[in-house]
Amino acid sequence: GEDVEQSLFLSVREGDSSVINCTYTDSSSTYLYWYKQEPGAGLQLLTYIFSNMDMKQDQRLTVLLNKKDKHLSLRIADTQTGDSAIYFCAEGTFSGGYNKLIFGAGTRLAVHP
Amino acid sequence: SQTIHQWPATLVQPVGSPLSLECTVEGTSNPNLYWYRQAAGRGLQLLFYSVGIGQISSEVPQNLSASRPQDRQFILSSKKLLLSDSGFYLCAWSGGPTGADYGYTFGSGTRLTVV
Repeated sequence: GEDVEQSLFLSVREGDSSVINCTYTDSSSTYLYWYKQEPGAGLQLLTYIFSNMDMKQDQRLTVLLNKKDKHLSLRIADTQTGDSAIYFCAEGTFSGGYNKLIFGAGTRLAVHP
Repeated sequence: SQTIHQWPATLVQPVGSPLSLECTVEGTSNPNLYWYRQAAGRGLQLLFYSVGIGQISSEVPQNLSASRPQDRQFILSSKKLLLSDSGFYLCAWSGGPTGADYGYTFGSGTRLTVV
Protein backbone atom coordinates (compact mmCIF):
# COMPACT_ATOMS: atom_id res chain seq x y z
CA GLY A 1 0.00 0.00 0.00
CA GLU A 2 0.93 3.64 0.10
CA ASP A 3 3.15 4.76 2.93
CA VAL A 4 5.55 7.61 3.54
CA GLU A 5 8.00 7.47 6.42
CA GLN A 6 10.32 10.06 7.86
CA SER A 7 12.21 10.50 11.10
CA LEU A 8 10.32 12.53 13.67
CA PHE A 9 12.99 14.85 14.99
CA LEU A 10 16.21 16.56 13.89
CA SER A 11 18.35 19.02 15.83
CA VAL A 12 21.06 21.11 14.14
CA ARG A 13 23.28 24.04 15.00
CA GLU A 14 22.64 27.36 13.34
CA GLY A 15 24.77 27.70 10.20
CA ASP A 16 25.11 23.94 9.66
CA SER A 17 23.33 21.99 6.93
CA SER A 18 20.19 20.03 7.72
CA VAL A 19 19.26 16.85 5.90
CA ILE A 20 15.76 15.48 6.29
CA ASN A 21 15.13 12.03 4.87
CA CYS A 22 11.99 10.34 3.64
CA THR A 23 11.09 6.97 2.14
CA TYR A 24 7.98 6.14 0.19
CA THR A 25 6.46 2.99 -1.21
CA ASP A 26 4.39 3.86 -4.28
CA SER A 27 6.58 3.43 -7.37
CA SER A 28 3.92 5.12 -9.53
CA SER A 29 4.33 8.46 -7.77
CA THR A 30 4.55 11.29 -10.28
CA TYR A 31 5.69 14.10 -8.01
CA LEU A 32 7.29 14.27 -4.59
CA TYR A 33 6.93 17.26 -2.33
CA TRP A 34 8.36 18.97 0.70
CA TYR A 35 6.09 21.12 2.84
CA LYS A 36 6.93 23.30 5.83
CA GLN A 37 4.60 23.91 8.77
CA GLU A 38 5.33 26.62 11.29
CA PRO A 39 3.62 26.50 14.72
CA GLY A 40 -0.14 26.96 14.53
CA ALA A 41 -0.13 27.46 10.78
CA GLY A 42 -1.07 25.55 7.65
CA LEU A 43 1.38 23.80 5.38
CA GLN A 44 3.48 25.79 2.94
CA LEU A 45 4.83 24.15 -0.21
CA LEU A 46 8.62 24.45 -0.19
CA THR A 47 9.56 22.55 -3.29
CA TYR A 48 8.65 19.56 -5.40
CA ILE A 49 10.43 17.23 -7.78
CA PHE A 50 9.18 15.26 -10.72
CA SER A 51 9.78 11.55 -10.37
CA ASN A 52 12.08 11.36 -13.40
CA MET A 53 14.52 13.86 -11.88
CA ASP A 54 17.42 13.07 -9.56
CA MET A 55 18.03 16.48 -8.07
CA LYS A 56 16.51 19.90 -7.80
CA GLN A 57 18.13 22.95 -6.27
CA ASP A 58 16.34 26.11 -5.19
CA GLN A 59 18.49 28.63 -3.31
CA ARG A 60 19.34 27.00 0.05
CA LEU A 61 17.22 23.93 -0.66
CA THR A 62 18.46 20.81 -2.44
CA VAL A 63 16.17 17.87 -3.10
CA LEU A 64 17.68 14.49 -3.95
CA LEU A 65 15.57 11.64 -5.28
CA ASN A 66 16.70 8.04 -5.49
CA LYS A 67 13.83 6.42 -7.33
CA LYS A 68 15.34 2.95 -7.18
CA ASP A 69 15.43 3.04 -3.39
CA LYS A 70 12.33 5.24 -3.12
CA HIS A 71 14.28 7.69 -1.01
CA LEU A 72 13.84 11.45 -0.96
CA SER A 73 15.88 13.97 0.99
CA LEU A 74 15.77 17.69 1.64
CA ARG A 75 18.99 19.52 2.40
CA ILE A 76 18.83 23.00 3.88
CA ALA A 77 22.14 24.83 3.62
CA ASP A 78 23.19 27.38 6.26
CA THR A 79 20.24 26.52 8.51
CA GLN A 80 18.76 29.49 10.37
CA THR A 81 16.52 29.73 13.42
CA GLY A 82 13.69 30.69 11.09
CA ASP A 83 13.95 27.24 9.53
CA SER A 84 12.69 25.67 12.76
CA ALA A 85 9.43 23.99 11.80
CA ILE A 86 7.90 20.65 10.90
CA TYR A 87 8.80 19.39 7.45
CA PHE A 88 6.46 17.02 5.65
CA CYS A 89 7.39 14.77 2.78
CA ALA A 90 4.58 13.76 0.42
CA GLU A 91 4.21 11.57 -2.62
CA GLY A 92 1.69 12.36 -5.30
CA THR A 93 -0.06 9.88 -7.54
CA PHE A 94 -2.59 10.93 -10.11
CA SER A 95 -5.63 8.67 -9.99
CA GLY A 96 -9.40 8.94 -9.92
CA GLY A 97 -9.34 12.45 -11.39
CA TYR A 98 -7.23 14.04 -8.71
CA ASN A 99 -3.68 14.24 -7.48
CA LYS A 100 -3.66 12.09 -4.36
CA LEU A 101 -1.01 13.17 -1.88
CA ILE A 102 0.14 10.88 0.89
CA PHE A 103 2.01 12.65 3.67
CA GLY A 104 4.59 11.45 6.11
CA ALA A 105 4.22 12.14 9.82
CA GLY A 106 6.56 15.14 9.61
CA THR A 107 10.08 15.84 10.87
CA ARG A 108 10.41 18.49 13.55
CA LEU A 109 13.56 20.51 12.86
CA ALA A 110 15.01 22.36 15.86
CA VAL A 111 17.77 24.88 15.15
CA HIS A 112 19.88 25.93 18.11
CA PRO A 113 22.61 28.58 18.39
CA SER B 1 -3.94 35.06 -7.62
CA GLN B 2 -5.52 32.17 -5.83
CA THR B 3 -6.24 32.32 -2.12
CA ILE B 4 -7.83 29.93 0.32
CA HIS B 5 -9.73 31.02 3.40
CA GLN B 6 -10.57 28.80 6.34
CA TRP B 7 -12.45 29.73 9.49
CA PRO B 8 -12.69 29.87 12.38
CA ALA B 9 -9.05 29.71 13.42
CA THR B 10 -9.83 28.33 16.86
CA LEU B 11 -12.88 26.58 18.22
CA VAL B 12 -13.76 25.05 21.58
CA GLN B 13 -16.91 22.97 21.54
CA PRO B 14 -18.59 20.69 24.09
CA VAL B 15 -19.04 17.00 23.44
CA GLY B 16 -22.29 16.33 21.61
CA SER B 17 -22.51 19.76 20.00
CA PRO B 18 -22.62 20.26 16.21
CA LEU B 19 -19.71 21.44 14.08
CA SER B 20 -19.39 23.45 10.92
CA LEU B 21 -16.04 24.48 9.46
CA GLU B 22 -15.94 26.41 6.24
CA CYS B 23 -13.35 26.74 3.52
CA THR B 24 -13.50 28.89 0.40
CA VAL B 25 -11.13 29.31 -2.50
CA GLU B 26 -10.78 32.41 -4.64
CA GLY B 27 -9.16 33.01 -7.99
CA THR B 28 -9.69 29.61 -9.55
CA SER B 29 -12.52 27.49 -10.83
CA ASN B 30 -13.34 23.81 -10.45
CA PRO B 31 -10.62 23.14 -7.90
CA ASN B 32 -10.16 19.81 -6.18
CA LEU B 33 -10.82 20.35 -2.47
CA TYR B 34 -9.60 18.41 0.56
CA TRP B 35 -10.11 18.21 4.31
CA TYR B 36 -7.25 16.90 6.43
CA ARG B 37 -6.94 16.36 10.16
CA GLN B 38 -3.68 16.58 12.04
CA ALA B 39 -3.81 15.03 15.51
CA ALA B 40 -1.33 16.27 18.11
CA GLY B 41 2.17 15.04 17.26
CA ARG B 42 0.95 13.08 14.28
CA GLY B 43 0.89 13.41 10.54
CA LEU B 44 -1.89 14.41 8.20
CA GLN B 45 -4.90 12.22 7.68
CA LEU B 46 -7.03 12.80 4.59
CA LEU B 47 -10.68 12.92 5.64
CA PHE B 48 -12.55 13.95 2.48
CA TYR B 49 -11.88 15.11 -1.03
CA SER B 50 -14.08 16.57 -3.73
CA VAL B 51 -13.49 16.86 -7.48
CA GLY B 52 -16.69 18.83 -8.14
CA ILE B 53 -19.92 20.30 -6.73
CA GLY B 54 -21.80 17.69 -4.74
CA GLN B 55 -19.07 15.10 -5.26
CA ILE B 56 -17.63 13.99 -1.93
CA SER B 57 -15.37 11.02 -1.26
CA SER B 58 -14.53 9.85 2.22
CA GLU B 59 -11.20 8.26 2.99
CA VAL B 60 -11.96 7.00 6.50
CA PRO B 61 -15.18 6.20 8.34
CA GLN B 62 -15.80 8.69 11.09
CA ASN B 63 -18.14 11.02 12.89
CA LEU B 64 -17.72 13.78 10.32
CA SER B 65 -19.26 14.64 6.97
CA ALA B 66 -18.39 17.07 4.19
CA SER B 67 -20.38 19.00 1.64
CA ARG B 68 -19.59 21.15 -1.39
CA PRO B 69 -22.61 23.34 -2.06
CA GLN B 70 -20.73 25.65 -4.45
CA ASP B 71 -17.73 25.24 -6.72
CA ARG B 72 -15.29 26.96 -4.36
CA GLN B 73 -16.86 26.18 -0.99
CA PHE B 74 -16.12 23.13 1.13
CA ILE B 75 -17.76 22.50 4.50
CA LEU B 76 -16.83 20.02 7.21
CA SER B 77 -19.63 19.12 9.62
CA SER B 78 -20.62 16.95 12.49
CA LYS B 79 -23.99 16.47 14.17
CA LYS B 80 -22.48 15.45 17.52
CA LEU B 81 -18.84 15.99 18.34
CA LEU B 82 -16.75 13.40 20.17
CA LEU B 83 -13.66 14.02 22.26
CA SER B 84 -11.65 12.17 19.62
CA ASP B 85 -12.63 14.81 17.03
CA SER B 86 -10.19 17.26 18.61
CA GLY B 87 -7.34 18.21 16.32
CA PHE B 88 -6.06 20.65 13.75
CA TYR B 89 -8.20 20.68 10.61
CA LEU B 90 -6.74 21.80 7.34
CA CYS B 91 -8.49 22.58 4.10
CA ALA B 92 -6.55 22.43 0.84
CA TRP B 93 -7.10 22.83 -2.86
CA SER B 94 -5.34 21.71 -6.00
CA GLY B 95 -5.78 22.77 -9.57
CA GLY B 96 -7.53 19.65 -10.80
CA PRO B 97 -5.99 17.56 -13.57
CA THR B 98 -3.60 20.34 -14.64
CA GLY B 99 -2.45 21.15 -11.13
CA ALA B 100 -0.47 18.04 -10.29
CA ASP B 101 2.92 19.69 -10.32
CA TYR B 102 2.06 22.24 -7.66
CA GLY B 103 0.66 19.88 -5.07
CA TYR B 104 -1.85 21.29 -2.68
CA THR B 105 -2.29 24.77 -1.29
CA PHE B 106 -3.37 24.72 2.32
CA GLY B 107 -5.48 27.04 4.41
CA SER B 108 -4.27 28.30 7.76
CA GLY B 109 -6.13 25.63 9.70
CA THR B 110 -8.72 25.40 12.49
CA ARG B 111 -7.71 24.25 15.95
CA LEU B 112 -10.70 22.32 17.33
CA THR B 113 -10.82 21.33 20.97
CA VAL B 114 -13.74 19.23 22.12
CA VAL B 115 -14.31 19.46 25.87
